[in-house]
Amino acid sequence: AQSVTQLDSHVSVSEGTPVLLRCNYSSSYSPSLFWYVQHPNKGLQLLLKYTSAATLVKGINGFEAEFKKSETSFHLTKPSAHMSDAAEYFCVVSEDPSNTGKLIFGQGTTLQVKP
Amino acid sequence: DGGITQSPKYLFRKEGQNVTLSCEQNLNHDAMYWYRQDPGQGLRLIYYSQIVNDFQKGDIAEGYSVSREKKESFPLTVTSAQKNPTAFYLCASSMNRRNQPQHFGDGTRLSIL
Repeated sequence: AQSVTQLDSHVSVSEGTPVLLRCNYSSSYSPSLFWYVQHPNKGLQLLLKYTSAATLVKGINGFEAEFKKSETSFHLTKPSAHMSDAAEYFCVVSEDPSNTGKLIFGQGTTLQVKP
Repeated sequence: DGGITQSPKYLFRKEGQNVTLSCEQNLNHDAMYWYRQDPGQGLRLIYYSQIVNDFQKGDIAEGYSVSREKKESFPLTVTSAQKNPTAFYLCASSMNRRNQPQHFGDGTRLSIL
């Protein structure tokens, strides 16, 4: 069965420094993986997705993630944090072998950006 | 602009009362989903529908009901049987193909009076 683990519940960085949000997954199939961002009292916005094409995926707002099959990881990075990046981030794996379109969500990582 | 509209943004329920949360999409997506989000937790699937007039239970369907009479609409009813309904509810939709991302509305926050 598919599962996803976000290794940090809370990450704090200073503005202008790099961001690293860690995600490991478990899947019996070739997974599709996504990162979403959620600002307070808002819905989730898609940052990027991996669907078995290039292993380095570029997303919106300067974020990118690298799919590493040998490490079963899909970590999210950004070279330089901005105050507006402060939000909740979710790593998500698709349960698509059953073709239901169902997604499995990690518990989320809260990113704090200090001035 | 295409998107998903959830209403109301805030909703209050009295004990023993049923309430219905609205979700409308104009993305022409076949599949729609309802999630519940509690503080410090990820999203948990309540119900989903891949086609009009058909829907399936998710992981936490007890105390909830849905209908899918139109492609654009997927309302969620929180019944009096749901003993702990206070949460943030999110609706999503996607194309009914492999590996498609879901698009989310801005949520409804339900509280008990």
